[in-house]
Amino acid sequence: DSGVTQTPKHLITATGQRVTLRCSPRSGDLSVYWYQQSLDQGLQFLIQYYNGEERAKGNILERFSAQQFPDLHSELNLSSLELGDSALYFCASSVGQRGGPTDTQYFGPGTRLTVL
Amino acid sequence: GNSVTQMEGPVTLSEEAFLTINCTYTATGYPSLFWYVQYPGEGLQLLLKATKADDKGSNKGFEATYRKETTSFHLEKGSVQVSDSAVYFCALALWNSGNTPLVFGKGTRLSVIA
Repeated sequence: DSGVTQTPKHLITATGQRVTLRCSPRSGDLSVYWYQQSLDQGLQFLIQYYNGEERAKGNILERFSAQQFPDLHSELNLSSLELGDSALYFCASSVGQRGGPTDTQYFGPGTRLTVL
Repeated sequence: GNSVTQMEGPVTLSEEAFLTINCTYTATGYPSLFWYVQYPGEGLQLLLKATKADDKGSNKGFEATYRKETTSFHLEKGSVQVSDSAVYFCALALWNSGNTPLVFGKGTRLSVIA
């Protein structure tokens, strides 16, 4: 158990809908990262938040957004869903106070999104 | 850009066989290197890491040495078990003003048969 929790575990929805994925980081971690794992694209970094502020952006679509709340949990919002958005979405957290080569990311169990 | 290349799987081995999974990287800087493992139906777990050249990361019988001259971080295990069956991901992270998202390879699926 990494200490990172994600809910829900599974999500099934229809095209055009909007969903919210939730992540709680390990106690003491200030950074939260979101990754998407799909068969064709592999594991791709979406976005990072540090202590409530956006810190880095990867291959995140404009239809997707995220935020980190004062209690440090994070939500990833996916809207106008398409079939191709079906994937595993992972959240990771790290201490992230100064970053650096020893700042290790710990992953949650993921949310499997299926868009029908 | 920054990228990681892993040997393509699947890799199928008999129990107690020797395992090598090759990983090479390209980075605009001095990265930290990681191996993560994903067991069936689970999330990613950190297996081992190395943060500077010639460092050897090790865990659960797995080892990998950070080779700057060959830009490689190959994963090895002397004697695999059925329980090692999983997907293994090589990854790098570059620290730049505190931003350290991971760049992953495509993963290598390992199946160990008894």
